[in-house]
Amino acid sequence: TQLLEQSPQFLSIQEGENLTVYCNSSSVFSSLQWYRQEPGEGPVLLVTVVTGGEVKKLKRLTFQFGDARKDSSLHITAAQPGDTGLYLCAGATERSYDKVIFGPGTSLSVIP
Amino acid sequence: DTGVSQDPRHKITKRGQNVTFRCDPISEHNRLYWYRQTLGQGPEFLTYFQNEAQLEKSRLLSDRFSAERPKGSFSTLEIQRTEQGDSAMYLCASSHTLELNEQFFGPGTRLTVL
Repeated sequence: TQLLEQSPQFLSIQEGENLTVYCNSSSVFSSLQWYRQEPGEGPVLLVTVVTGGEVKKLKRLTFQFGDARKDSSLHITAAQPGDTGLYLCAGATERSYDKVIFGPGTSLSVIP
Repeated sequence: DTGVSQDPRHKITKRGQNVTFRCDPISEHNRLYWYRQTLGQGPEFLTYFQNEAQLEKSRLLSDRFSAERPKGSFSTLEIQRTEQGDSAMYLCASSHTLELNEQFFGPGTRLTVL
């Protein structure tokens, strides 16, 4: 059973469109990270959210942490081909705060 | 560049052979993690160290896998008697205990077992 679930699994959109991807769990997370990974490379950290209800913005990317700290979303405005990649959420639960677990990822393809 | 480095980037081996991978973390980071990733999946936790102490090891990790971090600096991951199912990307990451589990990854070692 996946402790962290992500949806959708795959997403293909046209350049300029908006999109939202989701990360859900039944567990409470003390912190949650979003990473982007390109083929053949390691994941690159985008953001960390800590407080329930927190919203962080990184240029065209908006990250939100759920009030109960069990879920998160990533919204991309006006997607560009450079946004293509695997988006991973990851976090440490309150029970196991040292061990970070990863979701399966959302594979995003932005078509020019 | 003071990021996380891994060596080799690619390894092709025959079934039954032993392989060893190396990871050099960011110098001021005291935590080091090993993950395995297969195509279309997120990284799967294998083990992690705080300084030289191995604090946790995945129950999914067979006894053919062993990791060390002598002196709390670089780390090695050894796989003995490799099997085709070991083919994957092996990722190393480092972090600092004060930084909310934010991990910085190396480029990975792609292992192919023939």
